[in-house]
Amino acid sequence: NAGVTQTPKFRVLKTGQSMTLLCAQDMNHEYMYWYRQDPGMGLRLIHYSVGEGTTAKGEVPDGYNVSRLKKQNFLLGLESAAPSQTSVYFCASSSASGVGNTEAFFGQGTRLTVV
Amino acid sequence: AQSVTQLGSHVSVSEGALVLLRCNYSSSVPPYLFWYVQYPNQGLQLLLKYTTGATLVKGINGFEAEFKKSETSFHLTKPSAHMSDAAEYFCAVSDRAGRRALTFGSGTRLQVQP
Repeated sequence: NAGVTQTPKFRVLKTGQSMTLLCAQDMNHEYMYWYRQDPGMGLRLIHYSVGEGTTAKGEVPDGYNVSRLKKQNFLLGLESAAPSQTSVYFCASSSASGVGNTEAFFGQGTRLTVV
Repeated sequence: AQSVTQLGSHVSVSEGALVLLRCNYSSSVPPYLFWYVQYPNQGLQLLLKYTTGATLVKGINGFEAEFKKSETSFHLTKPSAHMSDAAEYFCAVSDRAGRRALTFGSGTRLQVQP
């Protein structure tokens, strides 16, 4: 019962470096999301995907790119990391069945520090 | 645009006392509302959700929430706090269609004193 798995769990980057965060889900969910969590601000949506091969911007997309080449995977990329991107990143997935009240399942998070 | 406001970033209660965490929402249509809990260094876990119908929603671990349309509120309660309830709690509202993403409140950290 893996659910949503994020890798890596921790990472320290230098300003200007690039990296990719991987999210994998084994629940055959259509929807996948990337959020960032900052103190006192809750979780904010970076990008999302409603199906394989489709992605869209959320509320805070600047500095990030995403790809969803396979239904089970959703990648978040930072091309040139900045200290403002120091945060905890969460991936989530949910089913497209029913109406919009389906539960979102979250990964354990990736703690990223940019120095 | 939908939004939620959580009143009180930190709440401290004694073990055995009532837990009350406040959430108010803003939505032009009947909302889908959720409470999630985050234990230290973990992801978020669903506590309960409101869709339509019964206004009192029961969740896991003895928590419940009451939807009050007239007050645009969805407060979370538990009659008797346990040490294991110490965590951060997030109220969220979901898009009704399209991307179905969650919009979160800023969170309330619950501390339980022995």
